[in-house]
Formats: sequence, structure tokens, C-alpha cells
Amino acid sequence: DGGITQSPKYLFRKEGQNVTLSCEQNLNHDAMYWYRQDPGQGLRLIYYSQIVNDFQKGDIAEGYSVSREKKESFPLTVTSAQKNPTAFYLCASSTNTQTYEQYFGPGTRLTVT
Amino acid sequence: QQPVQSPQAVILREGEDAVINCSSSKALYSVHWYRQKHGEAPIFLMILLKGGEQKGHDKISASFNEKKQQSSLYLTASQLSYSGTYFCGTEAGGSQGNLIFGKGTKLSVKP
Repeated sequence: DGGITQSPKYLFRKEGQNVTLSCEQNLNHDAMYWYRQDPGQGLRLIYYSQIVNDFQKGDIAEGYSVSREKKESFPLTVTSAQKNPTAFYLCASSTNTQTYEQYFGPGTRLTVT
Repeated sequence: QQPVQSPQAVILREGEDAVINCSSSKALYSVHWYRQKHGEAPIFLMILLKGGEQKGHDKISASFNEKKQQSSLYLTASQLSYSGTYFCGTEAGGSQGNLIFGKGTKLSVKP
């Protein structure tokens, strides 16, 4: 079955530690995205990538980093510079055609204490 | 600029209709609609493009007023499964796929 996988579903870290969230897709999509979701705030774009080895900052990129070395994978690192990292993180992918609905993964809930 | 959704929340009885609105202050190229159930991934519902093209599920309809930068999602004869939070995502043109999402409208359908 084609889809997007994110792991782990729940992640706990101590303040000051970097943590990497995994996102893999087998939909053969060119574009991939990372969103952060906080209660009552909707989805906010962190980074997106339209093609391998290229990515752009979204609205809230500070304190985050990404890589896109393979078409299937788009890992997100939450660095210690992110002031409020506790949130629900969603990864998505889409084709690069005009009607590019986004397919979302199940999300990772990160708690930093 | 984040689009504004209204209402923030709505409660329906099964079979009733609802309209969810999404308004932007910027000229829009497209509007996307998604539904999310608590703790789950958002699910795609509909895309409306400038010029009138639409793509989405048969049982859900929506409109896109390009001049007013507004979109409305119409949920008719609601079912229990319609419950969830509905998000609109807007694209102001140019950056393909770079959507700005509203804060969501929470819909609860009761038996």
C-alpha cells in the first residue's frame, strides 16, 4: 500500500537535545512538506521541498533543519534553538501537477521537558 | 496572512446542513479543504482553482469567489462521520504547494 509513514508516533526529549523526526513516502511524489500543529492554531509550514536536494523555508523555520537526499525521505531535525518545540508534527507529500492535493502522514507528537 | 475561517465551531444533528467559510485578504490562486479527526492526519476533501476548476469528493461541494477571496464548503445531509475539524489552506499564487492554513472549524454531528 502506498502512503506516508512517520516515526515514532510519540517522542519525548529533554530540553537542549536535538531530535530528528522521520518521514518516508512511497507515493513517488516529488514534493514534501513539514507542518507544525498547536492546539487552536491550524497547520503552520516549517519547510518544504519540491525536488531532491532542494528545500525552502516556510513560515516558522527558525530552530528547525531538514534534508532531502532521497525522493522518498524528508527528515526534520528539531534543534535546541527551537524555543517551544512541544507540538504535533505532520509530514505531507504531493505531486507537482496543478491539482496537487497533499497526503499527510499520521504525525509525531513531540514532548520536550 | 492566515485565512479566517467561520464559524469557529458548529454543532449539528444528523441530516442537517452546514456551511464553513474561508476568507483571505490576499488574491488567491487556489483554496484547499481538509478534514482532521482528533489525533489523526488531515484528509484531503477539495481543491478549488482560480478559473473555476474543482477536484474533490463527490459528496462534498464548495465554491470559490475569486473577486472576494472567499471560499465556502457545503456539507449537506450531515452524517456522524462528518465530525472533525475542517481546515482551509490558501495559496496566493507563485509558490506551488505553499499553503497557509486557517485555524480550523470544529464540526460536531450528533445523533
